[in-house]
Amino acid sequence: NAGVTQTPKFQVLKTGQSMTLQCAQDMNHEYMSWYRQDPGMGLRLIHYSVGAGITDQGEVPNGYNVSRSTTEDFPLRLLSAAPSQTSVYFCASSYSRRSGRVGGELFFGEGSRLTVL
Amino acid sequence: AQSVTQLGSHVSVSEGALVLLRCNYSSSVPPYLFWYVQYPNQGLQLLLKYTSAATLVKGINGFEAEFKKSETSFHLTKPSAHMSDAAEYFCAVSPTGTASKLTFGTGTRLQVTL
Repeated sequence: NAGVTQTPKFQVLKTGQSMTLQCAQDMNHEYMSWYRQDPGMGLRLIHYSVGAGITDQGEVPNGYNVSRSTTEDFPLRLLSAAPSQTSVYFCASSYSRRSGRVGGELFFGEGSRLTVL
Repeated sequence: AQSVTQLGSHVSVSEGALVLLRCNYSSSVPPYLFWYVQYPNQGLQLLLKYTSAATLVKGINGFEAEFKKSETSFHLTKPSAHMSDAAEYFCAVSPTGTASKLTFGTGTRLQVTL
């Protein structure tokens, strides 16, 4: 099983450039999410989705957009990159509560390291 | 709102020694608690979870954690450390078992020395 696949693994951007981080999962999970990981701050939720066509903001959504047109894919867009967005980004998926299984068990991709100059 | 406090951002133990990583939580409702492990340059993976069944939870790689409501703690232990245990460990709490309500601690980096 591929699980959760993120691309690219590394990216360097200049301030003001835009880009999309791709995330795909093959586990038929309804829940998908994006986190950023910064030293000493743990993981912070950016955006999440509980199913195709449904997205919502997390703790740190500013500067990021998402969409969910299919169950499998959940891309994260940076419209105008800023140095404060230098971070490691993780996509994670999970079961929905409708499945009867407990949420909180997240399945993570390997991360995308983004540097904004 | 819930929160998680991990005491000690770095812990160093000798190979074969007891591993103890501390986690205290606050939650207004009975919590679901998790420990995740992150190896270098990898994503996080679930180590174990507490979902209101047995208070002593066993996970992968010989780790276990005990839910103590009176102490609002969920400390992670392993009787004998191995070099391969060197990683960063995150405690997390969700008040409803909902992934979108998951709050992570700031992590504890475990170093294992010979």
